[in-house]
Amino acid sequence: AQSVTQLGSHVSVSEGALVLLRCNYSSSVPPYLFWYVQYPNQGLQLLLKYTTGATLVKGINGFEAEFKKSETSFHLTKPSAHMSDAAEYFCAVSGFNRLAFGKGNQVVVIP
Amino acid sequence: GAGVSQTPSNKVTEKGKYVELRCDPISGHTALYWYRQSLGQGPEFLIYFQGTGAADDSGLPNDRFFAVRPEGSVSTLKIQRTERGDSAVYLCASSFGAGADTGELFFGEGSRLTVL
Repeated sequence: AQSVTQLGSHVSVSEGALVLLRCNYSSSVPPYLFWYVQYPNQGLQLLLKYTTGATLVKGINGFEAEFKKSETSFHLTKPSAHMSDAAEYFCAVSGFNRLAFGKGNQVVVIP
Repeated sequence: GAGVSQTPSNKVTEKGKYVELRCDPISGHTALYWYRQSLGQGPEFLIYFQGTGAADDSGLPNDRFFAVRPEGSVSTLKIQRTERGDSAVYLCASSFGAGADTGELFFGEGSRLTVL
């Protein structure tokens, strides 16, 4: 079965500092990987995705993630945090007609 | 509307009651998904529709849960004899084709169910 692991439910980051959210996956087939973001009182929205090809993928709002097969990882980064990045972030892996989500990271940005 | 619409946004009910949650997907999206998100957890798959049929209902936790999509558009999630453990946010998502595999799922804002 497909699964992802996200550690550290709450992540605090200073405004202007690097944002790093870790995601490790388990998949029985070549994975398609996703990061979703949920802003307060809004639905989940796609931040970025990896399907095939280039392993470094860029998403909205300056986020990017790198697929590393050898490490079974798909970590999300942003060089400089902004107050508007405060949200909950979910990593997900696809397979068998569904997405399997991690538990999420609640990101708090400290001014 | 332009996005996935879910009603009600909040539902408070008593243990043992019957509840219906509605999802209106993006027009033209053939795939529709229901997920459940409990406090502190990520979304958990419940059921997937392709058109009118339930292509995969393996995530439904027990026979108290049932979902329909009679005309291939609006879907209703039905919960019988609700229990306190059913309290969660129920998310609906839709997509073109089999969106979960390669594409993007478009999520609604969810229906928050509280069972007293």
